[in-house]
Amino acid sequence: ETGVTQSPTHLIKTRGQQVTLRCSSQSGHNTVSWYQQALGQGPQFIFQYYREEENGRGNFPPRFSGLQFPNYSSELNVNALELDDSALYLCASSLTRGNEKLFFGSGTQLSVL
Amino acid sequence: KQEVTQIPAALSVPEGENLVLNCSFTDSAIYNLQWFRQDPGKGLTSLLLIQSSQREQTSGRLNASLDKSSGRSTLYIAASQPGDSATYLCAVDTGKLIFGQGTTLQVKP
Repeated sequence: ETGVTQSPTHLIKTRGQQVTLRCSSQSGHNTVSWYQQALGQGPQFIFQYYREEENGRGNFPPRFSGLQFPNYSSELNVNALELDDSALYLCASSLTRGNEKLFFGSGTQLSVL
Repeated sequence: KQEVTQIPAALSVPEGENLVLNCSFTDSAIYNLQWFRQDPGKGLTSLLLIQSSQREQTSGRLNASLDKSSGRSTLYIAASQPGDSATYLCAVDTGKLIFGQGTTLQVKP
């Protein structure tokens, strides 16, 4: 167990809809990162938050947005869903600022029809 | 632009074999290189982290090496077991983690 919980585990949406994915980190983990993993591919970095501020962003359009809350929970919001958004979405948390000692959740499998 | 490549994409070996997974990257400006394990439909588990100033790291039956100048890393698994069956991912840390596509390993009893 990594202590990182993601919900829901599976989700089906239709093109054009909006979705919110949630992540609950371990207490004290001030950094949370989100990744998109398409089938058969490695994860791609979406963005990272540190102490509720965005701390880096990958090559994703603005319709991907996030929030981090003081209680070590966070959200990934995706607007205007496209078919290519179908993927496993992973969050990872860390005590430190950066990418060392990451603990990953099991992910949310999003299917866009 | 940093690109990470893993070879082979898939590997099947009998139990007990020693094996090597390969990872290459195009830009040596990295903070560290990390190896992860991913079981089907699951998140990633960190295996080893090699700082950019280090040459190798070991954990149990796993040994990872890093040659920054040639842009290569290898993950050596000794005496493989069926429980080692999973996808192995390498990632370079440039301020963000950039992953390879992974090597799917099957260890047959």
